Parts: sequence; structure tokens; C-alpha cells
Amino acid sequence: GENVEQHPSTLSVQEGDSAVIKCTYSDSASNYFPWYKQELGKGPQLIIDIRSNVGEKKDQRIAVTLNKTAKHFSLHITETQPEDSAVYFCAASRGYSTLTFGKGTMLLVSP
Amino acid sequence: EAGVAQSPRYKIIEKRQSVAFWCNPISGHATLYWYQQILGQGPKLLIQFQNNGVVDDSQLPKDRFSAERLKGVDSTLKIQPAKLEDSAVYLCASSLVQTNSPLHFGNGTRLTVT
Repeated sequence: GENVEQHPSTLSVQEGDSAVIKCTYSDSASNYFPWYKQELGKGPQLIIDIRSNVGEKKDQRIAVTLNKTAKHFSLHITETQPEDSAVYFCAASRGYSTLTFGKGTMLLVSP
Repeated sequence: EAGVAQSPRYKIIEKRQSVAFWCNPISGHATLYWYQQILGQGPKLLIQFQNNGVVDDSQLPKDRFSAERLKGVDSTLKIQPAKLEDSAVYLCASSLVQTNSPLHFGNGTRLTVT
């Protein structure tokens, strides 16, 4: 089955800096890669996703890049703000298979 | 649109007791999932329903866990008997379609087994 590795496990940045979280996946047939943000006491919330026919996708301060050859994808957050502090999860799936999640990255943005 | 509703929010039980969780997905979402999230880890799929049929329950510990979605809408997840290692947050999610579709999660039920 699919295996998703995520790093770093924790990331501390100053407000205004950029943050990058990286994930690798094992199943070369995976074609859907979402990122979720989870705040304390809440369920994960989708923030951006990318499909395998696209190399990069942006939504305001958030961008995701995908390298199918290397089987890795990354989340980039620019101009970080304290409200970006949360746990971020990457995930991967293919076709009808269910999502496999990484172990998460705790992002702390200090004012 | 209303989100995925789950209850209860918290539950504390002793080992060997039973417990049940309830989920109401977003209206019109045919696919429903139950995930287990142990502290410090990512969600792990327990079971996936398409309408009222089971699509994937390969990671459900069937000797103690059971789930149903009788009318293709609400779902319940039961644990009987509970073990200490079942302490986790149980997340319900739904999606519009089965294939590579965004999941919408509820806020989960935090279970503590003592």
C-alpha cells in the first residue's frame, strides 16, 4: 500500500517568513495530493490540493509543488501569520483508493 | 452548507466497556469515512462507506470495532470491548464522490480509555 513520509515534524518561523513542508510517497500510481490544516480540537480542513497532471498550484499565500519523478510534493506558505500556526498533514491517493496521510508537521509562527 | 456533525465530543470509559460514536455527513455526500487519529499521528482509515455499502474495512479491527450506515446517511461506529490503545480521536469525514474527492471532516470524538 501507499506510504507517505512527511518532514519536518515541527517547524518554527517568525511572522512574515516562509515555511516549507515536504512529503514523499511510495506508490507511483498516486495521482491526488491534498494538504490539510488541523487546529487544536478541530478536524482537518482542506487548504489546497493538486493532481498529478499539474506541477504547481497557488492560492494566495499557499502553493503546492509536485515532482512525480521524484515522488515528492511540498507545501509553501509565504508571509506567515500567527493564525497559520497549526498541524499540517499531506496525503496521497490514487483512483478509488482512500487517502494515506503523513504524520503531520506542527507549524508555530511567532509574532 | 452545514458541516459534518459528530457526537459526543468527548467520552471517557473504562477498558472492556463499550462505546458508540455518531456521525451525520454533509447532505448529498455519498461517501463516508471513519478515521482514527492517535495523538501525534495522522488520521488512519478505519472504514469507508459508499452510500450504505462498505467499500474498504481492511484496517478495521473487526473483533472489537463495528460500523454501520443503514440508510446511507448517518453512521455509527462502535467499540466493544474497548482497550487502552483505543484512546484516540475518532474522525468522521464525507465526500461528494468516491474518487480523489476532497474530504470534509467533522471535529471528532476524543475517546479516553482508562
